Amino acid sequence: NAGVTQTPKFQVLKTGQSMTLQCAQDMNHEYMSWYRQDPGMGLRLIHYSVGAGITDQGEVPNGYNVSRSTTEDFPLRLLSAAPSQTSVYFCASSSFGNTEAFFGQGTRLTVV
Amino acid sequence: SQQGEEDPQALSIQEGENATMNCSYKTSINNLQWYRQNSGRGLVHLILIRSNEREKHSGRLRVTLDTSKKSSSLLITASRAADTASYFCATGTMNRDDKIIFGKGTRLHILP
Repeated sequence: NAGVTQTPKFQVLKTGQSMTLQCAQDMNHEYMSWYRQDPGMGLRLIHYSVGAGITDQGEVPNGYNVSRSTTEDFPLRLLSAAPSQTSVYFCASSSFGNTEAFFGQGTRLTVV
Repeated sequence: SQQGEEDPQALSIQEGENATMNCSYKTSINNLQWYRQNSGRGLVHLILIRSNEREKHSGRLRVTLDTSKKSSSLLITASRAADTASYFCATGTMNRDDKIIFGKGTRLHILP
């Protein structure tokens, strides 16, 4: 099993550009989430999903969109990139929201 | 908002010594989890302790939970260079659809 796969690993965007970070899991987990990690800030939840067709906002959702059309995939869309969105992004999945989470390797995003 | 707060923020010890990290939280929980993050990598789940458990062991790891004080500790015995990483606690509520909340982490550095 691959676990949680994130692509791309690195990305540089210009301010105002849009892009989609991909996340896929092969563990048949219902719960998936996106976090951003900034120095000294730990992990902050952006959006999460408790199953296909259901998404909800986390702590820092502004500037990001998500959708969950299948159990396996949970893409994160940056609508109009801003320098404040420079961060490392992690996707995670778990059987339920409050149980062991499996993380992808992260996407390092720089917005210039 | 982040529920778990790790203490200390950073810790340096000699190889072979024991490392202790603490986590405090604010609200009632169903479980508390500890994760490790090596530099530039995704988080890896270490151990989960349920609210009705007081102590749990996994290899060189020992976790305690005191729900009356809303605190937990992670002890790593006989530390090794490979234990150098950041360690995060995360709390899960009673609602299985609810998200786990991460603290800001403790940076552990094992000196040779």
